[in-house]
Amino acid sequence: EAQVTQNPRYLITVTGKKLTVTCSQNMNHEYMSWYRQDPGLGLRQIYYSMNVEVTDKGDVPEGYKVSRKEKRNFPLILESPSPNQTSLYFCASRRNGVDRGSYEQYFGPGTRLTVT
Amino acid sequence: GQQLNQSPQSMFIQEGEDVSMNCTSSSIFNTWLWYKQDPGEGPVLLIALYKAGELTSNGRLTAQFGITRKDSFLNISASIPSDVGIYFCAGEPNTGNQFYFGTGTSLTVIP
Repeated sequence: EAQVTQNPRYLITVTGKKLTVTCSQNMNHEYMSWYRQDPGLGLRQIYYSMNVEVTDKGDVPEGYKVSRKEKRNFPLILESPSPNQTSLYFCASRRNGVDRGSYEQYFGPGTRLTVT
Repeated sequence: GQQLNQSPQSMFIQEGEDVSMNCTSSSIFNTWLWYKQDPGEGPVLLIALYKAGELTSNGRLTAQFGITRKDSFLNISASIPSDVGIYFCAGEPNTGNQFYFGTGTSLTVIP
């Protein structure tokens, strides 16, 4: 089954304790992306990756890191989490290209992070 | 970053009624996408639009890519209870590979 998986689904942590949220897709997609969702703000893009070893900042990259060492995985790293990073996080993937269908992103189930 | 203004913020309608929501941007978009999000789930793509003026349907859903490339709308006809959820517009502007989402329209269908 084609899917995007994220782990963990729920995480409660304390300020300053490094954490990693994993994301994996099995569709051989080149493009992967991380979003955070906050009430009233919709989804905002944190980082995206066009392909292996290529990453770019989205709209709200501060406080986050990513890496893309393999095509299928795109982990999100919070080196020193703070309470304002409490949010619902989504990973997404799509294939690259300019044809119809190439812009259709597929989302993971989400990771709810609470930083106290 | 880009601002996508989505309206209305919320809707409460009777089952069987039609629904209309729209999204506007401050700049030109290459693509417009409409997603639905159920509680506890990630957004699921409903309709994708790729050129100005395009009108596309998916069952009871119809969406259009505005002629100016700065807006899009989504219609749902004859709403049913399972239409309940949050609907998001999203798009990629003419400037790169970033995606921007609207703030969402929360739809409640009263049986």
